[in-house]
Amino acid sequence: DTGVSQDPRHKITKRGQNVTFRCDPISEHNRLYWYRQTLGQGPEFLTYFQNEAQLEKSRLLSDRFSAERPKGSFSTLEIQRTEQGDSAMYLCASSGDSGRGPRAFFGQGTRLTVV
Amino acid sequence: DQQVKQNSPSLSVQEGRISILNCDYTNSMFDYFLWYKKYPAEGPTFLISISSIKDKNEDGRFTVFLNKSAKHLSLHIVPSQPGDSAVYFCAASRGSQGNLIFGKGTKLSVKP
Repeated sequence: DTGVSQDPRHKITKRGQNVTFRCDPISEHNRLYWYRQTLGQGPEFLTYFQNEAQLEKSRLLSDRFSAERPKGSFSTLEIQRTEQGDSAMYLCASSGDSGRGPRAFFGQGTRLTVV
Repeated sequence: DQQVKQNSPSLSVQEGRISILNCDYTNSMFDYFLWYKKYPAEGPTFLISISSIKDKNEDGRFTVFLNKSAKHLSLHIVPSQPGDSAVYFCAASRGSQGNLIFGKGTKLSVKP
């Protein structure tokens, strides 16, 4: 068990370009979450998967954002036509049915800079 | 409208003393509360949690207290150590499988 893994750790892109991030959750976890964190703020929920089903999406997730979790394993988050306001840390987390409440394990995040 | 509020952006404590971090919430439907610690350039790390049916949970040097009538929780760290210096986030959830709603965090500095 190597924890939640995110790739890449850093991404610099030009405004208008598309970017895709990957998250590999802890292997036995069936729930996977994406959050976004900007400077001075706590993580903000974006979307949530249970196995391969996307069960909830935040209103923060505009139509330029799409997330997938094929076969209930890894997940990808794509941002199309990036804007400078998309610059943030994108965090992935996973959790399982441990009976210990909504305890989620976070990855180290992908820092996106849109120039 | 912030549902989880951490009103102190920073806190400085002497090594060996108690650190008390506070958190207020507005949504009475929350039934789990969690504390996470975050170092720079790392993801948040889970510290301790409490269910709304309890008023206290203790794990080593960390204790979380929940006052439902006041919609307030606090994290006590005793004794504080320099390695505890980090940003601490309070989070809340409806249900055991839901997403987490975070406060803005409190930066704790523990001075030797």
